[in-house]
Amino acid sequence: DAGVIQSPRHEVTEMGQEVTLRCKPISGHNSLFWYRQTMMRGLELLIYFNNNVPIDDSGMPEDRFSAKMPNASFSTLKIQPSEPRDSAVYFCASTLAGEYGGELFFGEGSRLTVL
Amino acid sequence: AQSVSQHNHHVILSEAASLELGCNYSYGGTVNLFWYVQYPGQHLQLLLKYFSGDPLVKGIKGFEAEFIKSKFSFNLRKPSVQWSDTAEYFCAVNARTGGFKTIFGAGTRLFVKA
Repeated sequence: DAGVIQSPRHEVTEMGQEVTLRCKPISGHNSLFWYRQTMMRGLELLIYFNNNVPIDDSGMPEDRFSAKMPNASFSTLKIQPSEPRDSAVYFCASTLAGEYGGELFFGEGSRLTVL
Repeated sequence: AQSVSQHNHHVILSEAASLELGCNYSYGGTVNLFWYVQYPGQHLQLLLKYFSGDPLVKGIKGFEAEFIKSKFSFNLRKPSVQWSDTAEYFCAVNARTGGFKTIFGAGTRLFVKA
């Protein structure tokens, strides 16, 4: 079975540019999480969705960040405009809430570098 | 609000040494507990989990963890580490309601010397 699929795996962009990260959760999963990992701050929860509805976006750093989940098989995390401090690895994870007790299945991550 | 505290940020051990990584959580309700591992350059993978029942849970690769409810702790152990255990280890907690919001600890980087 295919796992969580993220794209792009690597993105290098210049400050001020728009960045869009994509995630395809495991088929049948109904919860999707976006995390950001940095050396300084560890693994931070940015936002999570349940049945395509955002449940908690309190971890989104500021208005420059937005996330959508238009259907059960696709989510995006957008940064506009990007800044050097946004450089990090962004992970998407999915689960079937209630079945695995919330065990998360992670994608390979998108490594973002903002110059 | 939920929070997770991992006591050790960096641990260096020799092969065959025993390992114990501390994890404490803060949450007033019923939780599920996890340990994830991240090998260099890879994504996080589940090591073991606790939902209910026997507080001593066994995971993959010889790891185990003990849930002590009175101490809000879920420490990870392994009797004899191997060089291949070099990785970063994350303790995580979710609440059993509200879509299983999962919070991670800061992580512990383990380096095992051959």
